[in-house]
Amino acid sequence: EDQVTQSPEALRLQEGESSSLNCSYTVSGLRGLFWYRQDPGKGPEFLFTLYSAGEEKEKERLKATLTKKESFLHITAPKPEDSATYLCAVQAIKAAGNKLTFGGGTRVLVKP
Amino acid sequence: GAVVSQHPSRVICKSGTSVKIECRSLDFQATTMFWYRQFPKQSLMLMATSNEGSKATYEQGVEKDKFLINHASLTLSTLTVTSAHPEDSSFYICSAERGAGRETQYFGPGTRLLVL
Repeated sequence: EDQVTQSPEALRLQEGESSSLNCSYTVSGLRGLFWYRQDPGKGPEFLFTLYSAGEEKEKERLKATLTKKESFLHITAPKPEDSATYLCAVQAIKAAGNKLTFGGGTRVLVKP
Repeated sequence: GAVVSQHPSRVICKSGTSVKIECRSLDFQATTMFWYRQFPKQSLMLMATSNEGSKATYEQGVEKDKFLINHASLTLSTLTVTSAHPEDSSFYICSAERGAGRETQYFGPGTRLLVL
């Protein structure tokens, strides 16, 4: 069974204090690993897709990396507007209907 | 690109009534759409996968007679909560899969359902 574990559950940062979020996964053949951002009361917003170990992607202050067992989302010099819940999800090659398996999320609060 | 809308954004209904939620992909065609449910401070729970022109596939434990899904076109899927009860109150989110070889799901803004 595919599993995704995100840590920490919550993260409080000062503005400008860089940090990393972890997403550990076990999957029977990875098709893709996805990062989303979710603000309270809204649907998840797509950030990145990573397909193979060693791949990296960047968007503004965010950088996602992937190994064979985990992915990291690095937040560099965060601003208060980066406060959100960050969700990680995996899609297995053999996933029925291409469904995603989500982790529990990391709630990030950036204080000014 | 890749915009998904949901309507309504919020609905309050009486116990025993049915509620329909629409999910539309606005700028792409989605052969597959997904319906999720999310409880406060929890992650997304997949309810069902909806394919255009065919019956939806429900996850284990989800009552298909209670949560009716119709995927009538490549841009529209609907979720009807039949005979809603207070325990059905939740945040319902749809997503649409944009293909082209690598499947990424794009999510709608969600619908908050409150059953009194």
